[in-house]
Amino acid sequence: EADIYQTPRYLVIGTGKKITLECSQTMGHDKMYWYQQDPGMELHLIHYSYGVNSTEKGDLSSESTVSRIRTEHFPLTLESARPSHTSQYLCASSGTGGQGEQYFGPGTRLTVT
Amino acid sequence: AQSVTQPDIHITVSEGASLELRCNYSYGATPYLFWYVQSPGQGLQLLLKYFSGDTLVQGIKGFEAEFKRSQSSFNLRKPSVHWSDAAEYYCAVGAGSARQLTFGSGTQLTVLP
Repeated sequence: EADIYQTPRYLVIGTGKKITLECSQTMGHDKMYWYQQDPGMELHLIHYSYGVNSTEKGDLSSESTVSRIRTEHFPLTLESARPSHTSQYLCASSGTGGQGEQYFGPGTRLTVT
Repeated sequence: AQSVTQPDIHITVSEGASLELRCNYSYGATPYLFWYVQSPGQGLQLLLKYFSGDTLVQGIKGFEAEFKRSQSSFNLRKPSVHWSDAAEYYCAVGAGSARQLTFGSGTQLTVLP
């Protein structure tokens, strides 16, 4: 079944650690996105990619980085985690055949202590 | 630039009652409109979408939405709410498959027994 996956679902980590949040999709989509969402708050786009080797920063400034080496894989990395990075991170994808609708993964809840 | 306003931060309804969640958008051309639902700790699930044709669109879980160009609105409705509908609802606007989505700030729905 075509889907979008995020791992880990929950992560508690200490300040200064390097972390990578994984996002993979089996939907054959060319576009992928990362959003940051604080509890009960709106979504903020932090990164997006329209294809392999193409990445752009979103509306919300973020210290994270992304890469897109394979179509199906769009990992997000924080080189040195800080408590201000505590949030939920949502990955999404969309294809050229639709009307721009995005399909979301289950999210990663990150807590930096 | 496109924008979305969801005027109601929180709505409470009794189970079995009807529901209407409001969404107003700002966009210069014909918009692509979406409603998503998010349960606690989960990603967003697409409920329905509109991009052309019949202004009343049907979605999953018994939801429908009506596009009204004159009012720049895309309100979500359900005739009879179930306790499982309690969640956060997001309206979004886009410009087709080549563009990003802009999300509203969300409406939290509480369902009373």
